[in-house]
Amino acid sequence: ETGVTQTPRHLVMGMTNKKSLKCEQHLGHNAMYWYKQSAKKPLELMFVYSLEERVENNSVPSRFSPECPNSSHLFLHLHTLQPEDSALYLCASSQGRQGGRYEQYFGPGTRLTVT
Amino acid sequence: KQEVTQIPAALSVPEGENLVLNCSFTDSAIYNLQWFRQDPGKGLTSLLLIQSSQREQTSGRLNASLDKSSGRSTLYIAASQPGDSATYLCAVRRYDKIIFGKGTRLHILP
Repeated sequence: ETGVTQTPRHLVMGMTNKKSLKCEQHLGHNAMYWYKQSAKKPLELMFVYSLEERVENNSVPSRFSPECPNSSHLFLHLHTLQPEDSALYLCASSQGRQGGRYEQYFGPGTRLTVT
Repeated sequence: KQEVTQIPAALSVPEGENLVLNCSFTDSAIYNLQWFRQDPGKGLTSLLLIQSSQREQTSGRLNASLDKSSGRSTLYIAASQPGDSATYLCAVRRYDKIIFGKGTRLHILP
């Protein structure tokens, strides 16, 4: 595997379910990100992790719970979601965070549908 | 509050033409600006990153410029090809604040 991978690629869940999205980066990067992409809206940054520490949380509802057990893996735990949470969830990584020289590399995304 | 605008929202041009995509931002205090392309239902592919101290970056047929003082960046695509059809997104970063535009949907007509 190379780059940034995400599983599953598609997920349908009911509002009472609990599920998790997984992201893995094979680039040796130190920072990882979760984004939400809804129709007709710009990508929204949800969480930023640096060396397994959460450094940014953009007022995301508590029904989204991130976890970063090591610098290569990032999870997004989902529970009691709403239909408006249906979106493409993208994971990204970068070699560092500080300063301006670090590109973000994205995974293919998980298409989530909440019924 | 940083806002990023991309105009036009959609663009169709015949194959072979050179074209320019625009990105503007309201707060010039940025670390960098990154251009991406996104194919339908897929993730983002990084095209070019311009640091705040740089004026432009080039990769193959792509050239991106940055004018921080005016809050503008352009992505120039030379000799467009049908494979260039995609949505092009720009994003600006300062600290851990990363703001994306809504993108320009580009269609290259064969």
